[in-house]
Amino acid sequence: AQSVAQPEDQVNVAEGNPLTVKCTYSVSGNPYLFWYVQYPNRGLQFLLKYITGDNLVKGSYGFEAEFNKSQTSFHLKKPSALVSDSALYFCALRDSGYSTLTFGKGTMLLVSP
Amino acid sequence: GAVVSQHPSRVICKSGTSVKIECRSLDFQATTMFWYRQFPKKSLMLMATSNEGSKATYEQGVEKDKFLINHASLTLSTLTVTSAHPEDSSFYICSARSSGGDYEQYFGPGTRLTVT
Repeated sequence: AQSVAQPEDQVNVAEGNPLTVKCTYSVSGNPYLFWYVQYPNRGLQFLLKYITGDNLVKGSYGFEAEFNKSQTSFHLKKPSALVSDSALYFCALRDSGYSTLTFGKGTMLLVSP
Repeated sequence: GAVVSQHPSRVICKSGTSVKIECRSLDFQATTMFWYRQFPKKSLMLMATSNEGSKATYEQGVEKDKFLINHASLTLSTLTVTSAHPEDSSFYICSARSSGGDYEQYFGPGTRLTVT
């Protein structure tokens, strides 16, 4: 069975500082990895994905994520956080093009002015 | 990009009544749609997977007679919460998977259901 772990319930960072939101995964096949962001009372917005290719994936709003196969991680990063980045972030996984997404529990990111 | 809409965005209903939530893929065809439920500050819980023209597949613990899902066309799926109770109050999110080859899932904006 596949699984996704987001070990932090909440990440606090000051505006302008770099941020990292952690995600590790477990899957038997090749992972398809995703990051989504959710603002209050809104649906999920796609940020970026890793399917194959370069381990560093660049996405929307200045976010990027690094796929690390040996550590089975896919941490989300941004060099300089904005207050408007404050939201709930979900890491998700599927093991093929056709399987169902498995979500992590989510990490609340709070960026202070 | 692909857009998924949900209607209504929020609904309040009385206990014992039924409420229908629509999920539409606006600019692509979706043979498969997913319905999720999300509790406050929690992750998404997959309720069921619906395929156009066939019966939905429900996750363990989800009452299929209470949460009726219909996927009558390639662009529309509906979730009907029957005989709603306050414990059914939640945020319901649908997702549509493109049948165009990339198999990406696109999410709707969610529906806030409050049962009084």
